[in-house]
Amino acid sequence: EIVLTQSPGTLSLSPGERATLSCRASQSVNSYLAWYQQKPGQAPRLLIYDASNRATGTPARFSGSGSGTDFTLTISSVEPEDFAVYYCQQRGNWPPITFGQGTRLEIK
Amino acid sequence: QVQLVQSGAEVKKPGSSVKVSCRASGGTFGSHAISWVRQAPGQGLEWMGRVIPVVDTVNYAQNFQGRVTITADRSTSTAYMEMSSLRPEDTAVYYCARGLSFDVSNFDYWGQGTLVTVSS
Repeated sequence: EIVLTQSPGTLSLSPGERATLSCRASQSVNSYLAWYQQKPGQAPRLLIYDASNRATGTPARFSGSGSGTDFTLTISSVEPEDFAVYYCQQRGNWPPITFGQGTRLEIK
Repeated sequence: QVQLVQSGAEVKKPGSSVKVSCRASGGTFGSHAISWVRQAPGQGLEWMGRVIPVVDTVNYAQNFQGRVTITADRSTSTAYMEMSSLRPEDTAVYYCARGLSFDVSNFDYWGQGTLVTVSS
């Protein structure tokens, strides 16, 4: 089973700052890595798939990069509505499909 | 507009079973995989398994093999997840989620979630 490790666990930023979230896989997942945003009481929302492709409706300030085992989600300038928990997910080596443990983006 | 509507919250006794439904509207049911993902209170996301209705293919995570049954009824555009031998640690919100395409398990549409509480 592929383990995804996200860092940091919590990221404290002010609106307008740049956010950099990391996801590291225990073995290569090629480019089959996705990112989700989850707000309290809501289902996750797909932001990025296949490492760098924005899903329909994802604002341009969100970008993804990486391949193999190291991936990054970048928010170029954090908006108030971006404070949430972010999960990475791999489908490169499955079953099972696995998720990271999450990074909480909180207001500083 | 694709929508996934799940059945309501359940309270179950340890050792019993639960069956959660997920009805799809909009889009083409059957040509996208439907996965089940659970989230225990305050915890992360855990993939349980998926069904591709058009070919009746089902895959399970090993953690759930033998205790979870995932099915789909194309006539009603509904997917089901049944879990047996429930334990208190199965208390979670259970989501159904649609894959981006036939065999791409990134999830673009999600149900609203069904809270299953297991308690004596």
